[in-house]
Amino acid sequence: GENVEQHPSTLSVQEGDSAVIKCTYSDSASNYFPWYKQELGKGPQLIIDIRSNVGEKKDQRIAVTLNKTAKHFSLHITETQPEDSAVYFCAASSGTYKYIFGTGTRLKVLA
Amino acid sequence: DGGITQSPKYLFRKEGQNVTLSCEQNLNHDAMYWYRQDPGQGLRLIYYSQIVNDFQKGDIAEGYSVSREKKESFPLTVTSAQKNPTAFYLCASSTHSGTEAFFGQGTRLTVV
Repeated sequence: GENVEQHPSTLSVQEGDSAVIKCTYSDSASNYFPWYKQELGKGPQLIIDIRSNVGEKKDQRIAVTLNKTAKHFSLHITETQPEDSAVYFCAASSGTYKYIFGTGTRLKVLA
Repeated sequence: DGGITQSPKYLFRKEGQNVTLSCEQNLNHDAMYWYRQDPGQGLRLIYYSQIVNDFQKGDIAEGYSVSREKKESFPLTVTSAQKNPTAFYLCASSTHSGTEAFFGQGTRLTVV
């Protein structure tokens, strides 16, 4: 069936370093790829998204890249700060209202 | 403020009881969703609704029911038929295109 694989499951970086989280999707019809940040006990927050007609998108310290041929997309966070510590989820959608989520990456930014 | 409001934040249920989780949005979104989140897992879709008076089953609909009588509201009932209802439940809404889904703050349901 359709699935999204997300790696790594945990990631620790020093404050100021970069963090990269990678996802691979199986449904070639997927055309929308959002990333969510979830803090403990809260709902996921949409932080950035990308559509299939774009290869890269940036918003300040975060960026997402998409390789449709390889069916993978990545989240890049530069100059990490302690407040970036959270669980990050990727997702893929083929425009049918159904999102397939990855299993999450717990990011720890060490001060 | 525009957003999605879920209530209550914490809910305790005795075995054999039905319980209803509330979700209200004032974003004027057409689509609404219910997801279940278990520790260490991703989000799994329970039900979704694209328009008022219409909804579809997601991947894990068994033991759950929903209604969509108003655009702003999408309540979820966890019935006694749900074998393992203890989880974190998340409601979301999105534009008509299905993109840019925004989530509520969740309801943590515990069966006691």
